Amino acid sequence: GAVVSQHPSRVICKSGTSVKIECRSLDFQATTMFWYRQFPKQSLMLMATSNEGSKATYEQGVEKDKFLINHASLTLSTLTVTSAHPEDSSFYICSGGELDYGYTFGSGTRLTVV
Amino acid sequence: KQEVTQIPAALSVPEGENLVLNCSFTDSAIYNLQWFRQDPGKGLTSLLLIQSSQREQTSGRLNASLDKSSGRSTLYIAASQPGDSATYLCAAYRSGSARQLTFGSGTQLTVLP
Repeated sequence: GAVVSQHPSRVICKSGTSVKIECRSLDFQATTMFWYRQFPKQSLMLMATSNEGSKATYEQGVEKDKFLINHASLTLSTLTVTSAHPEDSSFYICSGGELDYGYTFGSGTRLTVV
Repeated sequence: KQEVTQIPAALSVPEGENLVLNCSFTDSAIYNLQWFRQDPGKGLTSLLLIQSSQREQTSGRLNASLDKSSGRSTLYIAASQPGDSATYLCAAYRSGSARQLTFGSGTQLTVLP
């Protein structure tokens, strides 16, 4: 099945700095990937849909200038949290795959902004 | 807008019991429905995918059913084990070209030895 690799698994950064999270498709070509955010004890909320070679589509309420998504190749999508603040601390998960087989998810990135 | 609800929010059962987790969705025009498992601090592991034309899927001790007309899906776990303890999430695939997932809030399952 489709395998999605996400790095880093955990990152701590200072307030005001930027953090990049990578999501790679290892055994399939990902024209579309999805980025989710999960707060403690809550479910996953879709942030944006990443499209290879074009602009990402952001969900309502998600700041596109805050959460920069780049999908320059069929195997790599990145999410950059710019000028991070403590309220950006969360669990970020990417997803991709083939629709008829169900999407698979990365292992997630725990971001802590101090 | 699709809304997915899971009941109960938490469940604690003794080892060996059979149990049912419930998932309901408001928009019956879903494409597929998928059940996931999430361990604390980890990503999601896919358990079962039910395609829109199917009514159920089985894998080992797990059986998931889908009734689009009533907007419901259930996940049945037979002979539960302590290793089944985790949060179980159901997610409905949106209709349309992008096929994003809308997640329920999850059921936190604890199986007591």
